[in-house]
Formats: sequence, structure tokens, C-alpha cells
Amino acid sequence: AQKITQTQPGMFVQEKEAVTLDCTYDTSDPSYGLFWYKQPSSGEMIFLIYQGSYDQQNATEGRYSLNFQKARKSANLVISASQLGDSAMYFCAWGDNNDMRFGAGTRLTVKP
Amino acid sequence: DTGVSQDPRHKITKRGQNVTFRCDPISEHNRLYWYRQTLGQGPEFLTYFQNEAQLEKSRLLSDRFSAERPKGSFSTLEIQRTEQGDSAMYLCASSPGLAGGPRETQYFGPGTRLLVL
Repeated sequence: AQKITQTQPGMFVQEKEAVTLDCTYDTSDPSYGLFWYKQPSSGEMIFLIYQGSYDQQNATEGRYSLNFQKARKSANLVISASQLGDSAMYFCAWGDNNDMRFGAGTRLTVKP
Repeated sequence: DTGVSQDPRHKITKRGQNVTFRCDPISEHNRLYWYRQTLGQGPEFLTYFQNEAQLEKSRLLSDRFSAERPKGSFSTLEIQRTEQGDSAMYLCASSPGLAGGPRETQYFGPGTRLLVL
């Protein structure tokens, strides 16, 4: 079965520093998508960034970039210039034609 | 442009009662998804629709759970004979329906938090 692993239950970062949140996945499907979502304490899931399995370039969206290493089956999220408002739960997710799987999440705390 | 909406936002019910939640997707989105999220976990995929067709329902947690999308617009998720273990956040999401299945970016609603006493 497909599996998404986020090995960091919690991470701390100093404001204005960069931070990397880890995500690995296990699949034999050739076609899939990888996603990162942010969930603040209010509960809504906010889409951050998407990477398709056939995309050659790593995805970037503003301060977010996805470090996609297909052979290693990893899709780490890099947040540059952290802000206090970045403090939240971050979920990595994998989807194919019939399934969607989320990791257990990483709680990021940005320290002033 | 409005996002995904869900109603109610909170529901408290007694064990054994039936509950129904509603989700209104982004208007031009063909796909609609339901998830359950328990405390400290990531969302758990339950089912999804392409227009009015339910394309994946094997992940529904038991036969007490059912979902409909009768006209391909809003959807309802019903839980019959609720149990305390059903207490969770129920999330709805939608996507345009341009790529295959859940493989495209989904946009989530605010969720319905269910508490079964």
C-alpha cells in the first residue's frame, strides 16, 4: 500500500531563517502528485505547493519550494525566510488516480 | 469567487443518532472529496465524486457511512447510528477534474467537527 512518512513530529526555526520539512513516500505507480498543505490552529487546510511525478523542475511558490528527489522518493518542503505566521501543522500528501494519502504531519514553530 | 463551504461547522450528537453534513464545492470544480481527520493525524481519504458519480468508496469506514452528490454540485455525507469513535473533523475538498483522480490539487473547506457523546 502507498505510504507517506513525515519523520519530524515537531520542528523549530528562528524567524527569517529557512527550514526544511521532510517527506518520503512509497509507491510503484509511475504517475502521481505530491502536495504540501498547511493547517493552522483554526483547522483549515491551505494548499501550498504541488509537484507532478513527471515534472523535471522542482516546484516553487513564493517562499515555498519542493525538493523533489524521485529516485529517493522524497519530497521535502523548504520554507525560506520564515515568518511567525508560518507556525502551523504541515502535511505532505500523495495522490494518484484512485487514492490520496497524507502523512502524520510536522508541527512547525517559528521563534521570534 | 467563494471557496469550499461546509455546513454545519460543529455538530454535537448522542451515540446512536444519525448525522448529515453538507459540502458545497468551488462552483466550476467537477470533483469532490471527503476526508476524516482525527486529532493529531493527517486527513484520511474516504470517498470522491466525479460530477455525480462516486468513483471510489471502498475507503468509507463502514456501511454506516454513505455519501451522495445527486446533481453533481453539493454533496452530503451521512453517518448512521453514530459511535463515539466517529468523533473527528470531517473535511470536504474539491478540484477541477482535469487530471486523473485525486492526483490534482484539492482545495479544502473549513471542516465539520463532530462530537459524539
